[in-house]
Amino acid sequence: NAGVTQTPKFQVLKTGQSMTLQCAQDMNHNSMYWYRQDPGMGLRLIYYSASEGTTDKGEVPNGYNVSRLNKREFSLRLESAAPSQTSVYFCASSVPSNNSPLHFGNGTRLTVT
Amino acid sequence: QKEVEQNSGPLSVPEGAIASLNCTYSDRGSQSFFWYRQYSGKSPELIMSIYSNGDKEDGRFTAQLNKASQYVSLLIRDSQPSDSATYLCAVRGTGGFKTIFGAGTRLFVKA
Repeated sequence: NAGVTQTPKFQVLKTGQSMTLQCAQDMNHNSMYWYRQDPGMGLRLIYYSASEGTTDKGEVPNGYNVSRLNKREFSLRLESAAPSQTSVYFCASSVPSNNSPLHFGNGTRLTVT
Repeated sequence: QKEVEQNSGPLSVPEGAIASLNCTYSDRGSQSFFWYRQYSGKSPELIMSIYSNGDKEDGRFTAQLNKASQYVSLLIRDSQPSDSATYLCAVRGTGGFKTIFGAGTRLFVKA
């Protein structure tokens, strides 16, 4: 049982390049999330998808777009990468209930030069 | 004011001692509260969840919630060097979707 799978694990981009971070879960969860983690800042919510077909902005959505491709997959796109987007990105999923915790992928470490 | 606040630490305790980690939150409508542990270079993993006022115990871990004071804490009894990690407090509001994290407290347990 793979849980939440993120690809790639590492990526280096030049300023202005674009890329898509992929996330897939096999736990039949309805809700999926993208967070970024920077030193001293904790995890900050970029976008979330409460269910297939819906997406909403989180705390720090600027510079990102998302696509909920189907129930399993939720991708995060950087259209024009900036050095400020250097971070570790985590995808997570959960059952859409107040009491259900988040299940995290292993993260993608992105460096923008 | 940040929505979820934690002391960044580091908090250093000797092996066998009780480690006390604290968290305050600003949204009075918050429904669910979680503690995650994160080792360096790894993803967060759930330690405890708590939803109603009072204490909840699971092995060496006790979560405490006081909604009137907007305060949640985690106690780790008999701390072990393997408990050395960053502990993240997370709060979920009404609707069951947005989970907001504190910046985390780094804990060091000295052998």
